[in-house]
Amino acid sequence: NAGVMQNPRHLVRRRGQEARLRCSPMKGHSHVYWYRQLPEEGLKFMVYLQKENIIDESGMPKERFSAEFPKEGPSILRIQQVVRGDSAAYFCASSPVAGGHNEQFFGPGTRLTVL
Amino acid sequence: AQKITQTQPGMFVQEKEAVTLDCTYDTSDQSYGLFWYKQPSSGEMIFLIYQGSYDEQNATEGRYSLNFQKARKSANLVISASQLGDSAMYFCAMREPLLGAGNMLTFGGGTRLMVKP
Repeated sequence: NAGVMQNPRHLVRRRGQEARLRCSPMKGHSHVYWYRQLPEEGLKFMVYLQKENIIDESGMPKERFSAEFPKEGPSILRIQQVVRGDSAAYFCASSPVAGGHNEQFFGPGTRLTVL
Repeated sequence: AQKITQTQPGMFVQEKEAVTLDCTYDTSDQSYGLFWYKQPSSGEMIFLIYQGSYDEQNATEGRYSLNFQKARKSANLVISASQLGDSAMYFCAMREPLLGAGNMLTFGGGTRLMVKP
């Protein structure tokens, strides 16, 4: 049973370009979470999605950031017109259910570097 | 206000000795969960141990145990018989409900553990 997959593992973009980060949840998991880790900090919640729905995006910056989880295919975190401050590790996690213990299984992360 | 506080930015421990990593939390919920994750230099987040707020026994997983003191709102991680491979960042996290549905994890700032041979 493959774990949570994220790609690319490393992404380099110049200021003003777009970054697309992909996350495939574990088989059987329909809940996806995105977290951001700035250097030397803990992870911070960005957005929670189920298939075709954004459930909570309270941690998402209001501009330039968007997320989707289509009926088919991986979840995508999209950052438009990247700036140096977007450089961070972006983690995706998935869980089979929303409540209860619901351990969130993390992917390996995508490390975004903005030049 | 900080909801998860890890007061030790860095710690050293001698190989084969035990070490305690501190974590205090703040919540007004009666039902919550506490997690510890390990992040080695390769960067992935590895789940170590979970404690539910209603669990009466302290959680244990192999060499990891969680010293849960509910009244003091602390959830310290104890690693017994440290190994060189335990050198990593360790994050304490709390499951919090989201306004709509579901939960998110709120993480502390982490503790960097270095195991000395």
